[in-house]
Amino acid sequence: NAGVTQTPKFQVLKTGQSMTLQCAQDMNHEYMSWYRQDPGMGLRLIHYSVGAGITDQGEVPNGYNVSRSTTEDFPLRLLSAAPSQTSVYFCASSYGLEGVIYGYTFGSGTRLTVV
Amino acid sequence: SQKIEQNSEALNIQEGKTATLTCNYTNYSPAYLQWYRQDPGRGPVFLLLIRENEKEKRKERLKVTFDTTLKQSLFHITASQPADSATYLCALDINTGNQFYFGTGTSLTVIP
Repeated sequence: NAGVTQTPKFQVLKTGQSMTLQCAQDMNHEYMSWYRQDPGMGLRLIHYSVGAGITDQGEVPNGYNVSRSTTEDFPLRLLSAAPSQTSVYFCASSYGLEGVIYGYTFGSGTRLTVV
Repeated sequence: SQKIEQNSEALNIQEGKTATLTCNYTNYSPAYLQWYRQDPGRGPVFLLLIRENEKEKRKERLKVTFDTTLKQSLFHITASQPADSATYLCALDINTGNQFYFGTGTSLTVIP
């Protein structure tokens, strides 16, 4: 019973490099989201998905792409890394219950540094 | 723009007392609100959900209230313990679903 698995846990990138942060959940949750967390800024929504094949932008989508080809996987792609993307990234998943999206299950995070 | 404010100052309380954390929001009317706990270096953990038509929700030593007129939620931990020390986050649903915006969190320290 793994929950939400994020890889890698740590990553250092050079400015301009691209990479994909992986996120997988084994709970058959329909809803998935990516957040970044910066000191003093709290968690900010990057992209989210309400089911396989459906994605949409959150508060801070610029510089990031997502796809949702399966229910389980929701990778986040950094197109051309910038120092401003240095952050801790969290993936989260949830399910609908009685008309609400119930509490998120979060992964353990990816700490990304862009130099 | 949507704004979610939590106690900006860290909260220190004595063990056994009740901790009260505040979540205020503006410019929106969420259908429900959630509270999470986050420990250093870890992802947030879901605690409680309260809907707009519920005034109060309880779970063990936790109690959440939701006042849609004041645009405020209060989170209470009764009989607090040092193990309750963490950062607590509130999150609001935004409009069309699966858009949850988080507050910046309140750091709580329970002193033995």
